[in-house]
Amino acid sequence: GDSVTQMEGPVTLSEEAFLTINCTYTATGYPSLFWYVQYPGEGLQLLLKATKADDKGSNKGFEATYRKETTSFHLEKGSVQVSDSAVYFCALKRNQGGKLIFGQGTELSVKP
Amino acid sequence: DVKVTQSSRYLVKRTGEKVFLECVQDMDHENMFWYRQDPGLGLRLIYFSYDVKMKEKGDIPEGYSVSREKKERFSLILESASTNQTSMYLCASRQAGGRSTNYGYTFGSGTRLTVV
Repeated sequence: GDSVTQMEGPVTLSEEAFLTINCTYTATGYPSLFWYVQYPGEGLQLLLKATKADDKGSNKGFEATYRKETTSFHLEKGSVQVSDSAVYFCALKRNQGGKLIFGQGTELSVKP
Repeated sequence: DVKVTQSSRYLVKRTGEKVFLECVQDMDHENMFWYRQDPGLGLRLIYFSYDVKMKEKGDIPEGYSVSREKKERFSLILESASTNQTSMYLCASRQAGGRSTNYGYTFGSGTRLTVV
């Protein structure tokens, strides 16, 4: 079945460091891909998305490119801030269904 | 501001109790979902509902049931709570879309349930 695999956390970075969180997926067909973020004590919020191969999603300085050849959707940010500390979830959704399938989540902690 | 509201932020229940987790959305969404979130496992789908009185099992339905009597409300029921159901429970809703890749999920803030 469909699945999403993320790099394990927690990831601890200093402010202004470069961030990469790896995400790979297994799915039949051409799913849509997402990154969600969960700040402490809150629910999940959509961070960015990509709906077809080579699409780049971006928001708040974060970017991820839909790579069909490597079945990946890695999250990147050039300079992280303390306020980026959160748990990040990669997810996919097949176009014919409404269910999101999530990865394990990666906790990011940014130190000043 | 559109919302998904979960009735309790924190809940402590005893083993064997029947537990109700309530979720209400004000967006007139057709689809609603219950997930549980556990460290290292991410979010796993328990049950979902495409419309009123409709329900389908997700990936981990055992020990749970659901009720959707009104469009705005989706209840998760633990028939006889057990300690392995201690978890964070997240509700989400989404407007149904034909063939479009609708990504408009809205999540609640979660209910942290502890079963002792």
